[in-house]
Amino acid sequence: DAGVTQSPTHLIKTRGQHVTLRCSPISGHKSVSWYQQVLGQGPQFIFQYYEKEERGRGNFPDRFSARQFPNYSSELNVNALLLGDSALYLCASSLDAGGSYEQYFGPGTRLTVT
Amino acid sequence: QKEVEQNSGPLSVPEGAIASLNCTYSDRGSQSFFWYRQYSGKSPELIMSIYSNGDKEDGRFTAQLNKASQYVSLLIRDSQPSDSATYLCAVNGGADGLTFGKGTHLIIQP
Repeated sequence: DAGVTQSPTHLIKTRGQHVTLRCSPISGHKSVSWYQQVLGQGPQFIFQYYEKEERGRGNFPDRFSARQFPNYSSELNVNALLLGDSALYLCASSLDAGGSYEQYFGPGTRLTVT
Repeated sequence: QKEVEQNSGPLSVPEGAIASLNCTYSDRGSQSFFWYRQYSGKSPELIMSIYSNGDKEDGRFTAQLNKASQYVSLLIRDSQPSDSATYLCAVNGGADGLTFGKGTHLIIQP
């Protein structure tokens, strides 16, 4: 069975630019969450989506936005990129949005902002 | 603000020994707890989930939960060099997503 897929794998952007990251969840999973991981830290929660609705949002500025499509895939958008946005961006899928559901991570997108 | 604390290590364990990884959390209402393994340059991989007080065993891995002490641990028996990785403890806050600790870097010495 295919796991969570993310694209692109790596991305280099310049400060002030915009970026779109994509994620496809495990087949049958309806919830997608996004996390940011900087070197030496655990992942930090950005968004959770379930059935195309935003269910939760972490402590990130409005430059970060996301959406979920009818096929449950998701996009994370970041506007006006800053050097500090350089990180590994992780997508996780789960069957449902409840707290007891296990989340499975994709391989991540490594974003470098120069 | 929910917090998850882990000793960052490195924790060095001889091959074949038991590795013990510990984690404490701040939100007494937390119900779901997870251990992820992350190899350098890779994404986190779920290895254990635990929801009730006590022990849960899966192969060489045992997760232990004590909600009264707000403490979660992971034991790895018969440690192998391939177990060398960073182990992340996570607590699920529902709509608040997973809250992770900084991870413990485990080194298994051949």
